[in-house]
Amino acid sequence: AQSVAQPEDQVNVAEGNPLTVKCTYSVSGNPYLFWYVQYPNRGLQFLLKYITGDNLVKGSYGFEAEFNKSQTSFHLKKPSALVSDSALYFCAVSAISSGSARQLTFGSGTQLTVLP
Amino acid sequence: NAGVTQTPKFQVLKTGQSMTLQCAQDMNHEYMSWYRQDPGMGLRLIHYSVGAGITDQGEVPNGYNVSRSTTEDFPLRLLSAAPSQTSVYFCASSRLANFPEQYFGPGTRLTVT
Repeated sequence: AQSVAQPEDQVNVAEGNPLTVKCTYSVSGNPYLFWYVQYPNRGLQFLLKYITGDNLVKGSYGFEAEFNKSQTSFHLKKPSALVSDSALYFCAVSAISSGSARQLTFGSGTQLTVLP
Repeated sequence: NAGVTQTPKFQVLKTGQSMTLQCAQDMNHEYMSWYRQDPGMGLRLIHYSVGAGITDQGEVPNGYNVSRSTTEDFPLRLLSAAPSQTSVYFCASSRLANFPEQYFGPGTRLTVT
């Protein structure tokens, strides 16, 4: 079975400072990893994904994530946080199941608050 | 493109009532899925479909039915609502190939009293 852990329910950071939202995963075989963001009363929006290749993945709105196979981690980062980055962030892992469907398993989410 | 649409946005049911949550997408995506979101638990997969006429169970399927008669529509049926089904429900769609990102609808907030 696949699983995702987001160890921090809440992350606070000052505007302009770098931010990190942590994610670790467990999956049999190759991991396919995703980050999504959810703004209040909205559906989830895709930020970035790691399928294969470079361990540093760049995504939307200046976010990036680093895949670390030995530590089974996929932390989300941004060099300089904006107040508008405040939202709920979800890490997710996918694996091939029967019928080639891609089932996403989500972490519990991390609420990011960027303080002005 | 409207993307993924869901109706209704809000619904209150009494225990034992049934209802259908509607989901439609206009992107010709093969894969569609339903999730429920509960505080502190992330999103959990209820049912999914890889094409018209093909559905399968996810992590938490009990109490829910789905069907996929067309590529565009993927309704979720609550057969006999229970308070434990109070949640926010999201529909999502994607292509099947190459682990693409999923596109999510705006959600339906359901309260069962």
